[in-house]
Amino acid sequence: ETGVTQTPRHLVMGMTNKKSLKCEQHLGHNAMYWYKQSAKKPLELMFVYNFKEQTENNSVPSRFSPECPNSSHLFLHLHTLQPEDSALYLCASSQEVFQGRSTRGYTFGSGTRLTVV
Amino acid sequence: DQQVKQNSPSLSVQEGRISILNCDYTNSMFDYFLWYKKYPAEGPTFLISISSIKDKNEDGRFTVFLNKSAKHLSLHIVPSQPGDSAVYFCAASVPDFGNEKLTFGTGTRLTIIP
Repeated sequence: ETGVTQTPRHLVMGMTNKKSLKCEQHLGHNAMYWYKQSAKKPLELMFVYNFKEQTENNSVPSRFSPECPNSSHLFLHLHTLQPEDSALYLCASSQEVFQGRSTRGYTFGSGTRLTVV
Repeated sequence: DQQVKQNSPSLSVQEGRISILNCDYTNSMFDYFLWYKKYPAEGPTFLISISSIKDKNEDGRFTVFLNKSAKHLSLHIVPSQPGDSAVYFCAASVPDFGNEKLTFGTGTRLTIIP
């Protein structure tokens, strides 16, 4: 257990469904991230939240909608996805250090394996 | 355009030998580099990092070397153990204080042969 918990671990959804991925961190970190990992591709940054405010939207289609109600919770709402959206979705958190650098980078959750049928 | 590249998708090494994983980058603004290790069904976990002001950082069996002129870094594991079998990701970041974003490579699958 890394301190970042993602649910569900696996999700199969149809293209017309609406579902949500949840991420929770108990590390006291102030930044949270969504990453997408597709086969044979680098981890792709999707969204960044600092102190609950979205600071980055990396050209992600609107069928992915993030929500960060507080600094411990992060959601990714999914609707009308496509089969090519099938991937491992990873949540991460970090402690942003404004006078320096978070030397350990991110703490990742175990991910949600999403399959769109 | 991939700014962090791991050109070897897989590597097999005999137990007890040295494993060397390589990573190249194109963005000269990167000033901090990290290696992550990922087991199946788990998220990546931090392994070791290096700042651009250094050319070497060591932590037990793991050593990371940075060659800034070649925009190349490598992770050495010695001696390699069966538990080291995993996918290793190289990552890099630019000095954007307060909004750290990591750029990852595609990963190298390391298999340690007993």
